[in-house]
Amino acid sequence: GESVGLHLPTLSVQEGDNSIINCAYSNSASDYFIWYKQESGKGPQFIIDIRSNMDKRQGQRVTVLLNKTVKHLSLQIAATQPGDSAVYFCAENRSGGFKTIFGAGTRLFVKA
Amino acid sequence: EPEVTQTPSHQVTQMGQEVILRCVPISNHLYFYWYRQILGQKVEFLVSFYNNEISEKSEIFDDQFSVERPDGSNFTLKIRSTKLEDSAMYFCASKGGRRQSDTQYFGPGTRLTVL
Repeated sequence: GESVGLHLPTLSVQEGDNSIINCAYSNSASDYFIWYKQESGKGPQFIIDIRSNMDKRQGQRVTVLLNKTVKHLSLQIAATQPGDSAVYFCAENRSGGFKTIFGAGTRLFVKA
Repeated sequence: EPEVTQTPSHQVTQMGQEVILRCVPISNHLYFYWYRQILGQKVEFLVSFYNNEISEKSEIFDDQFSVERPDGSNFTLKIRSTKLEDSAMYFCASKGGRRQSDTQYFGPGTRLTVL
């Protein structure tokens, strides 16, 4: 079957600390992954993506790591800020871009 | 910055009634999507649409659902006979290109409440 899921439903971090959000997937044929951020009352917002031929990709304050051996990816947020408080979803793009499968989501709380 | 817009922001309807959710994708985008999110749950893919036809649909998208691009700017999702379990946030998204790496832009959503 197809499944993209998250290890933890909530994560609470202190402002300024680094955050790590984890995600597991089951389909070894998956080749493209995306992290989305969803703030309260808004639609998902693209953060960063990674192809299966990479194991790391960096953006502004965010890094995605992909471990194909164990079918796991993570999102690292450096120096977490209150504005980072949101639900984070990992997702997989299927059918040549016509279908996106979302994971369950992790809610990130940032304590000031 | 261009954005996807959706109307209404909140729709309340009686069970069995038809609803139409409206979306205006980003101008010059060619690929359109509908997703739903039941409260507190993950975002679920419903359907993708390109070149005036459905490209991909999920098992959720049964005969009660239909999509249409009635003109050059709107993209609609119709639910013919709503059920209580259709209550959810419905998100429209659009994308400019076919590549996986082309970013999908989501609208703010329409909250559908079926009574």
